[in-house]
Amino acid sequence: DADVTQTPRNRITKTGKRIMLECSQTKGHDRMYWYRQDPGLGLRLIYYSFDVKDINKGEISDGYSVSRQAQAKFSLSLESAIPNQTALYFCATSPAEGREQYFGPGTRLTVT
Amino acid sequence: QKEVEQNSGPLSVPEGAIASLNCTYSDRVSQSFFWYRQYSGKSPELIMSIYSNGDKEDGRFTAQLNKASQYVSLLIRDSQPSDSATYLCAVKYGGGADGLTFGKGTHLIIQP
Repeated sequence: DADVTQTPRNRITKTGKRIMLECSQTKGHDRMYWYRQDPGLGLRLIYYSFDVKDINKGEISDGYSVSRQAQAKFSLSLESAIPNQTALYFCATSPAEGREQYFGPGTRLTVT
Repeated sequence: QKEVEQNSGPLSVPEGAIASLNCTYSDRVSQSFFWYRQYSGKSPELIMSIYSNGDKEDGRFTAQLNKASQYVSLLIRDSQPSDSATYLCAVKYGGGADGLTFGKGTHLIIQP
């Protein structure tokens, strides 16, 4: 089945470490997104990409960077992790602007 | 600031009854509206999308959109215990970032 996958599913890291979260999709969608979810704050957009040459900042991009290696792969990096980046991170894809988004299973990240 | 408002609940509904979930949004220039279901610790799962005023039905689910009142709702008929989850309302606002703006969700409990 066409799907959105994320690795790792769980990660514990220390303050100051660099960490990369990876997302792959077999849906054939051009648009990919990274969100984080915090209790009481809902889902918030970090970065999004229309294709490998088009990367855009979302609502809360500070402290994060992304790489679109191919149509199917979109990675999120935390250059120097801090405790308030502890959250549930979701990757999503969409077939077109304004259309529905499909979410991966999420990565639970804990920064100690 | 573009916002999506939902009552956090919990909303408790007897099994077999109709569950009614509501959402308001702040910007009239809104294109697309979505309802997602999220079980604890899992990723959001798309239930319904609606793009024009009126009702849209899919099985036991009906989405209702009223753009003049900036209001979107989700009705769940014949509620089942498996419907117990958090329901997220999401809006694609016109202009700006391509991502969705999410409400914080309504926690729905179906009582057997």
